[in-house]
Amino acid sequence: DGGITQSPKYLFRKEGQNVTLSCEQNLNHDAMYWYRQDPGQGLRLIYYSQIVNDFQKGDIAEGYSVSREKKESFPLTVTSAQKNPTAFYLCASSVLWVSYGYTFGSGTRLTVV
Amino acid sequence: GENVEQHPSTLSVQEGDSAVIKCTYSDSASNYFPWYKQELGKGPQLIIDIRSNVGEKKDQRIAVTLNKTAKHFSLHITETQPEDSAVYFCAARTGFQKLVFGTGTRLLVSP
Repeated sequence: DGGITQSPKYLFRKEGQNVTLSCEQNLNHDAMYWYRQDPGQGLRLIYYSQIVNDFQKGDIAEGYSVSREKKESFPLTVTSAQKNPTAFYLCASSVLWVSYGYTFGSGTRLTVV
Repeated sequence: GENVEQHPSTLSVQEGDSAVIKCTYSDSASNYFPWYKQELGKGPQLIIDIRSNVGEKKDQRIAVTLNKTAKHFSLHITETQPEDSAVYFCAARTGFQKLVFGTGTRLLVSP
C-alpha cells in the first residue's frame, strides 16, 4: 500500500543534542512538508520541498534543517538551536501540479529530557 | 497571501445532534477546500474536499458547502457519534500553492 511513514513514533532528546526525524513516502509525490503541532494548537509549517535538492523555509524554520536528496525522503533535523523542541511533528506529501490535498504521516512526538 | 479563519475553536454536542464548523478564506482565487480529521496522537486524515466549481458535496453523514461569493465554506456532520470526536481542520489552496490551514476545531460528542 502506498503511504507516508514517519519514524520513530516517540523520540527523546537531551538538551544540546541534534536529532533527526525520518519521513519516507512511496506515493510518487513531488512535494513534501514538515509541520510542528503544539498541544491544542494548529499546524505550523517548518520547511517544504517541491523538488529534489531544493527546499524552502516555512513560518518557523529557525532551529531546524532539512535535506531532499531523494524524491521519497525528506528528513528533518531538530538542532540544539531550537530552544523549545518538545512538540508533535508531522510530515506530509502532495502531488505538485494538480490541486489536491496532502497525505500526512502518523507523526513523531519529540520530548526534551 | 491566503488567510483561513475557522470557528468555533471548540464544539460540544450530544450524540445524534448535528455539528457545523465554519471557515472563511481571503483569496478569491482559492479553488480547493479540503477538510481533515485528526484523532488524538495521529496525523490528520482527509475526510472530504470540495472544488470551487461545486457548491455542495456529501459523503454519508458528512457534507461540505461552499459559498464563493461570501468566501466561506462549512463542514456539516449529521447524526454525530462518539467516534466523531476529534480535531477538524479546514484548508484552502490556490492553484498549485501550499495549503493554508485553519486553526482547528475540537469536536466533542457526548454519549
